[in-house]
Amino acid sequence: DTAVSQTPKYLVTQMGNDKSIKCEQNLGHDTMYWYKQDSKKFLKIMFSYNNKELIINETVPNRFSPKSPDKAHLNLHINSLELGDSAVYFCASSHPSGQGSTGELFFGEGSRLTVL
Amino acid sequence: AQSVTQPDIHITVSEGASLELRCNYSYGATPYLFWYVQSPGQGLQLLLKYFSGDTLVQGIKGFEAEFKRSQSSFNLRKPSVHWSDAAEYFCAVGKRDYGGATNKLIFGTGTLLAVQP
Repeated sequence: DTAVSQTPKYLVTQMGNDKSIKCEQNLGHDTMYWYKQDSKKFLKIMFSYNNKELIINETVPNRFSPKSPDKAHLNLHINSLELGDSAVYFCASSHPSGQGSTGELFFGEGSRLTVL
Repeated sequence: AQSVTQPDIHITVSEGASLELRCNYSYGATPYLFWYVQSPGQGLQLLLKYFSGDTLVQGIKGFEAEFKRSQSSFNLRKPSVHWSDAAEYFCAVGKRDYGGATNKLIFGTGTLLAVQP
């Protein structure tokens, strides 16, 4: 029933490890996003995919690799984790704006990543 | 460049009192504007949005916001705050890219609302 769901909700790992976060939406949206929320609650876009095509990549280190196998899924893989990667990662989805849609984002509940 | 400023990092109000959270934006064209709320440990929930038309918009949970182009503001208001309104509130401006295919939201730094009994 959940519109945008992310797994896992919590992730604790050691520096240098590789980890993935998965996201699925059942809203029929064409566009999906990854946002990062740092310890000061600041939200910043990382990536945006439209119909499985990457269209926004906001100067994110190439240790972060998103993958969209289909419109309903967007996964985030992170290699060689660093302490600074500790954050809450939010997945979101939207319809394209225009044609009666304001393109608001629907967010998942977040995945809290802690790197030790 | 687009930006959003929320001048108040932390606000405390008494239950039943009125509330106004400030938001100023910088955007070259007519913006899409949003207010989201984040409860502890939760995702972001849309409270309301401005797209066009009436500059006073109504949202969920009794919230409203007024778009003032001359002041580049989109302040959030509620006439009577409830204890359950305690949360972090984010203002955002939407930047349409790639023919509207993506809506990149630029967020303010948030205002943490505490409600006193």
